[in-house]
Amino acid sequence: RKEVEQDPGPFNVPEGATVAFNCTYSNSASQSFFWYRQDCRKEPKLLMSVYSSGNEDGRFTAQLNRASQYISLLIRDSKLSDSATYLCVVNDGYDFGNEKLTFGTGTRLTIIP
Amino acid sequence: NAGVMQNPRHLVRRRGQEARLRCSPMKGHSHVYWYRQLPEEGLKFMVYLQKENIIDESGMPKERFSAEFPKEGPSILRIQQVVRGDSAAYFCASSPYLPGQGAGNEQFFGPGTRLTVL
Repeated sequence: RKEVEQDPGPFNVPEGATVAFNCTYSNSASQSFFWYRQDCRKEPKLLMSVYSSGNEDGRFTAQLNRASQYISLLIRDSKLSDSATYLCVVNDGYDFGNEKLTFGTGTRLTIIP
Repeated sequence: NAGVMQNPRHLVRRRGQEARLRCSPMKGHSHVYWYRQLPEEGLKFMVYLQKENIIDESGMPKERFSAEFPKEGPSILRIQQVVRGDSAAYFCASSPYLPGQGAGNEQFFGPGTRLTVL
């Protein structure tokens, strides 16, 4: 089983629609969770951290369910500029010295005009 | 504040040659991480370094790969006797050390070095 599992897509979604991505992780001891965005042939960039209480940043909402080891990302009112690959990322470190990030393979999203 | 810098951005090597990839972390960041992204795959952790110390090299191939982060100068990822399977994008990331934060410090990524082995 992969450590971080995502549906690779592609998701082709009309502009203005709402789209949701899901991700599961295998290590129940994982401590920190993130969504990164990666544009074609570019470096990953942090989109948002994910907390159990849920967090929202504009059109983006992220949610963590520790019991189910499940992370979600919701994008509302999608824009053409949202087209990218979205990476689910987990950090297992709980103390200094164990800071590696584990990436899912990513979900490719294309917003259609 | 300049971001994480990597050079070269593109590197072409023939099989058997050596590849040296450089990474300068963001100013004030003392932690450096190297990740590899093979074509059509996700990023995979390779190594985590602080100045003059390797903290975690659990993702490094056992042979031909080495990394350092000297007291002065950039971090170097060195691949000896490259093979075609080494062709990939190599990303460096850096983070600050914030006492008490432990896991969860944001890692900032450089633009990557795309290695092509002919």
